[in-house]
Amino acid sequence: AQSVTQPDIHITVSEGASLELRCNYSYGATPYLFWYVQSPGQGLQLLLKYFSGDTLVQGIKGFEAEFKRSQSSFNLRKPSVHWSDAAEYFCAVAPNTNAGKSTFGDGTTLTVKP
Amino acid sequence: ETGVTQTPRHLVMGMTNKKSLKCEQHLGHNAMYWYKQSAKKPLELMFVYNFKEQTENNSVPSRFSPECPNSSHLFLHLHTLQPEDSALYLCASSPAGSGGGGRDTQYFGPGTRLTVL
Repeated sequence: AQSVTQPDIHITVSEGASLELRCNYSYGATPYLFWYVQSPGQGLQLLLKYFSGDTLVQGIKGFEAEFKRSQSSFNLRKPSVHWSDAAEYFCAVAPNTNAGKSTFGDGTTLTVKP
Repeated sequence: ETGVTQTPRHLVMGMTNKKSLKCEQHLGHNAMYWYKQSAKKPLELMFVYNFKEQTENNSVPSRFSPECPNSSHLFLHLHTLQPEDSALYLCASSPAGSGGGGRDTQYFGPGTRLTVL
């Protein structure tokens, strides 16, 4: 069975600063990997996904993530954070035979300081 | 707007009430999902339907009863709930369905915030 860990419960960054949110997974093969964002009172919106190929994945809203097999990581990055990026971010892992069976991390809450 | 709508957005019910949550997707997808999101806990998959057939029940108590009359609609019938069932209930849909495997992507609705008194 797969699992995912988001080590940081809460991160605060200043507007305009760079951002990196960590995600580590456990799975016996190369998994499918996802990052979602959830604003207060809203559902989850997919930011980006990795299935195979290029390990640097570009997503919406200027986000990117890099799959590192050797580190079992899929960290989310953004070069310059905007106040509207304040939200909760979830990493998810799914088996490479069934992307619909995702396991979600506990989430990281991002606060953006003016 | 993801193409997945949920009603009601908020629901308060007593432990003896019976209520239903509704989810509708306008994306032409074949699979639909119910998730539970509690405070301080990760998202928990509850049920999966593929082409109207239930393919996954993640050990959910029988006080939660799903119904999928067609690929566009999904219901969650609630009865004799407990206060610990208070949570955000999220519906999602995907094109191929978990039974079909492959590179599927889920689209989530805004959720129903349920409070059980």
